[in-house]
Amino acid sequence: NAGVTQTPKFQVLKTGQSMTLQCAQDMNHEYMSWYRQDPGMGLRLIHYSVGAGITDQGEVPNGYNVSRSTTEDFPLRLLSAAPSQTSVYFCASRLDPYGNQPQHFGDGTRLSIL
Amino acid sequence: KNQVEQSPQSLIILEGKNCTLQCNYTVSPFSNLRWYKQDTGRGPVSLTIMTFSENTKSNGRYTATLDADTKQSSLHITASQLSDSASYICVVSPNNNDMRFGAGTRLTVKP
Repeated sequence: NAGVTQTPKFQVLKTGQSMTLQCAQDMNHEYMSWYRQDPGMGLRLIHYSVGAGITDQGEVPNGYNVSRSTTEDFPLRLLSAAPSQTSVYFCASRLDPYGNQPQHFGDGTRLSIL
Repeated sequence: KNQVEQSPQSLIILEGKNCTLQCNYTVSPFSNLRWYKQDTGRGPVSLTIMTFSENTKSNGRYTATLDADTKQSSLHITASQLSDSASYICVVSPNNNDMRFGAGTRLTVKP
């Protein structure tokens, strides 16, 4: 059971470039989400999805797009990378969007924008 | 101001000793409080989840307590091991689609 898999693990981009961070889970979880983690701060929610075809914005959605065409995959797209988007990005999933189950995290994508 | 404050920011203890990490929150309403362990370079891993009606929850050598009246939680680690070196993150949810993360306490266990 792989859990939550994120790719790539590291990425360096130039300002203005676009890219997609991949996230896949094999636990048949309905709820998936994306966070960014910056030094000295708690994780902040970017976007989330309560099921295939349904997405919504979190606390810091600007500059990011998501889609959820399948239960397993939840990619995060950076439209035009900016240095302020340099961060570590975590994808997470949970079985039930409305329950108190544990949230499972991937190991992150470390993104640097030059 | 962050709605979830953790203290101390960092802590160094000797192997075998106990320690307690603190979490104070102002998040309202309250749905649940979670503690996570995050090893360097890895994603957070769930330790405990407590709802309003629960005031203690254990997971091996980790014991979390919750006082919903004073909006305080603590994570107690018993007989620390070198592998306990990590960041410990407190997360408070006002509802099931919203999670407010603390900045974490960085614990170092030395031999």
